[in-house]
Amino acid sequence: EPEVTQTPSHQVTQMGQEVILRCVPISNHLYFYWYRQILGQKVEFLVSFYNNEISEKSEIFDDQFSVERPDGSNFTLKIRSTKLEDSAMYFCASRLGVNGANVLTFGAGSRLTVL
Amino acid sequence: KNQVEQSPQSLIILEGKNCTLQCNYTVSPFSNLRWYKQDTGRGPVSLTIMTFSENTKSNGRYTATLDADTKQSSLHITASQLSDSASYICVVSEGGGSYIPTFGRGTSLIVHP
Repeated sequence: EPEVTQTPSHQVTQMGQEVILRCVPISNHLYFYWYRQILGQKVEFLVSFYNNEISEKSEIFDDQFSVERPDGSNFTLKIRSTKLEDSAMYFCASRLGVNGANVLTFGAGSRLTVL
Repeated sequence: KNQVEQSPQSLIILEGKNCTLQCNYTVSPFSNLRWYKQDTGRGPVSLTIMTFSENTKSNGRYTATLDADTKQSSLHITASQLSDSASYICVVSEGGGSYIPTFGRGTSLIVHP
């Protein structure tokens, strides 16, 4: 069964450092998402991406965050200068996008720990 | 503001027993409601998805119901197994072109032998 793969599975970084989280969505999917989940809290939407541009973003997704699809397979989330409160699980998701196919497929997540 | 409320927050049951998890939402306009299972430290995995016209859907031992009039959904787990221990998350999506799903906080289910 097709999967969304994420790397790294766990990253530890110092406050103020840049972090790039990588995702490979399912190959024929058209819509891509990043979510985060702070420990013990609910999953929160960060950003959606379609046709090589951001389609929607939440208020969490400020100037410190950016997304990119540098080639035909990868979808990355960059945090420019990490803060302690950025520590969370970051989930990438994708969906096909045609009528009725609105099930999000999530990756296993990347755990970010900011010290 | 769109909200999804789940109850109970946590639940402990014995292996083999049935349980029902609840979800109330205020998302409007409504597009679809999904239940996800999230194992600790893993990404959510879809169990069921229901649109406005569907009021029940099954996936093995999982049965979801939807009452679009009262904006309530339930997830019933039959003959629970130890592997059912996880967080169960209700996710409701808006219609009208926006696709920002609203996540509930989840119900943490623990199944004891």
